[in-house]
Amino acid sequence: GENVEQHPSTLSVQEGDSAVIKCTYSDSASNYFPWYKQELGKGPQLIIDIRSNVGEKKDQRIAVTLNKTAKHFSLHITETQPEDSAVYFCAANRRNMLTFGGGTRLMVKP
Amino acid sequence: NAGVTQTPKFRVLKTGQSMTLLCAQDMNHEYMYWYRQDPGMGLRLIHYSVGEGTTAKGEVPDGYNVSRLKKQNFLLGLESAAPSQTSVYFCASSYLRSSGGSNTGELFFGEGSRLTVL
Repeated sequence: GENVEQHPSTLSVQEGDSAVIKCTYSDSASNYFPWYKQELGKGPQLIIDIRSNVGEKKDQRIAVTLNKTAKHFSLHITETQPEDSAVYFCAANRRNMLTFGGGTRLMVKP
Repeated sequence: NAGVTQTPKFRVLKTGQSMTLLCAQDMNHEYMYWYRQDPGMGLRLIHYSVGEGTTAKGEVPDGYNVSRLKKQNFLLGLESAAPSQTSVYFCASSYLRSSGGSNTGELFFGEGSRLTVL
């Protein structure tokens, strides 16, 4: 099956700095890579996704890049704000199963 | 619009007891999922369903059973609870957005059910 590894497990940045979270996946047949944000006490919510036929996608302060050859994808958050503090999960989808990484706890210090 | 509702939100069980978690969605989604979340391990898929009357195993199905008798409901059962099943359980639903043989529809999650097995 698919295996998704996510790094770092915790990340602390100053408000206004950038944050980068990296993931690798094992199954070359995976073709869809979403990122979810989980706030305390809530379920995860989709923030951005990318399909395997696209190398980069941007939505305001958030961007995702995908390197299919290296089986590696990353989330970039620019101009971080305190409300960006949360746990972020990457995931890889093959057929009907979405496999999640272990999560990154992002703390943005004001 | 309630989205995805899970009941109960909290439950404490003794080893060997049985229980059922209920998930209900009001978005007419075809797909439904049960995940468990443990510290440092992300979300792991237990079982999922691609439509009413269908179920399939995920990554960690042992010790759990599921049923999808109605499109809007997905039940997760523990027949004989074990301490290793102490976790936070999340239900999710998604619409079907097919791309390259995969469902790429957004998952909508409930708020979770915290289960403790003593």
